[in-house]
Amino acid sequence: GNSVTQMEGPVTLSEEAFLTINCTYTATGYPSLFWYVQYPGEGLQLLLKATKADDKGSNKGFEATYRKETTSFHLEKGSVQVSDSAVYFCARELIFGQGTELSVKP
Amino acid sequence: DTGVSQDPRHKITKRGQNVTFRCDPISEHNRLYWYRQTLGQGPEFLTYFQNEAQLEKSRLLSDRFSAERPKGSFSTLEIQRTEQGDSAMYLCASSLGRDTDTQYFGPGTRLTVL
Repeated sequence: GNSVTQMEGPVTLSEEAFLTINCTYTATGYPSLFWYVQYPGEGLQLLLKATKADDKGSNKGFEATYRKETTSFHLEKGSVQVSDSAVYFCARELIFGQGTELSVKP
Repeated sequence: DTGVSQDPRHKITKRGQNVTFRCDPISEHNRLYWYRQTLGQGPEFLTYFQNEAQLEKSRLLSDRFSAERPKGSFSTLEIQRTEQGDSAMYLCASSLGRDTDTQYFGPGTRLTVL
């Protein structure tokens, strides 16, 4: 069936480090892909999305490229900040990954 | 735009009781979704509506669960004869109405079944 798999956390990084959170999906066709973020004590909110193959979504310094060849939508950021500490969810329409907790230390 | 609201925010009930949750979506949004989330997991899809029509329902959804959206605005999710395994955060989200649209999530209702 359709699924979304993302790397397990928690991920702990120092401030200004490079971040990659891997996400792969299975699907028939080409679904829209999303990254949602949940900051401590808050609800889920959209971080970025891509609606077709080769699209790149970007927001707040985060980027993810829709790769149909590898069925992936990895999240990257060149220099993380303490304020990026949150749980990140990869999703395709109705299906969410299990979430990856990111902790950034000063 | 007041966002998606859910009521109540917390519910504690005894096993076997019925509970009902309410979700008010963003006013111009045609789609409304219900998810369940347990600790350390992502949201698990339960069901969604396009206006008042319930278009899809998860095969994992027990017959004890029912959802309505009678006028295409707010929605209710009822759980009958609650079990301890129903303890979770119940999330509501809404979107404009296409698969490519962003879902906007409410704060959730945390259910604890004793």
